[in-house]
Amino acid sequence: GDSVTQMEGPVTLSEEAFLTINCTYTATGYPSLFWYVQYPGEGLQLLLKATKADDKGSNKGFEATYRKETTSFHLEKGSVQVSDSAVYFCALSELQGAQKLVFGQGTRLTINP
Amino acid sequence: ETGVTQTPRHLVMGMTNKKSLKCEQHLGHNAMYWYKQSAKKPLELMFVYNFKEQTENNSVPSRFSPECPNSSHLFLHLHTLQPEDSALYLCASSQGGRVTGELFFGEGSRLTVL
Repeated sequence: GDSVTQMEGPVTLSEEAFLTINCTYTATGYPSLFWYVQYPGEGLQLLLKATKADDKGSNKGFEATYRKETTSFHLEKGSVQVSDSAVYFCALSELQGAQKLVFGQGTRLTINP
Repeated sequence: ETGVTQTPRHLVMGMTNKKSLKCEQHLGHNAMYWYKQSAKKPLELMFVYNFKEQTENNSVPSRFSPECPNSSHLFLHLHTLQPEDSALYLCASSQGGRVTGELFFGEGSRLTVL
């Protein structure tokens, strides 16, 4: 079945560093791709999404590009802040049925001042 | 105030107890979900309800029993659980019908089974 693989965490960076969190997927069709973020003590919330190949999703300084040729959707941010500390989940949506999302295992990010 | 509210936030129960988790959404959505979040594992989809009808049961053991009385409320009834069922249980909702992908999550119910 469809699956999502994220880079192992935890990831620890200093403030203003460049961030990349890798995500690759396996899917039989052409799924939509998502990044969700979970701040401490909260539920997941959508960060950005891309629905077709070469689309770039962006929000709050984060970006990710849907790369069909490498089946990847890596999350990037040019200059991270302490407030970006959270767990980040890559996900894909299967096109059949209800809005079923398949998630990666999550990557915990800690930003030090 | 979050659009998806889960209660209780924390629950401790013995293996012989019966308890329920409750989820309520105030977003006018038609689809609701239960996910299980365990340490170092991907989120596991448990159940999906679309317009109050169960459309997905992801091979969940029968000791977990969902109930969706209307599009705004979702319950997860728990009985005879095992310690490995200890996890964060997340409820989510979304617009029904065509896939757009955005789920709105509650803050979760942290379950500990002794």
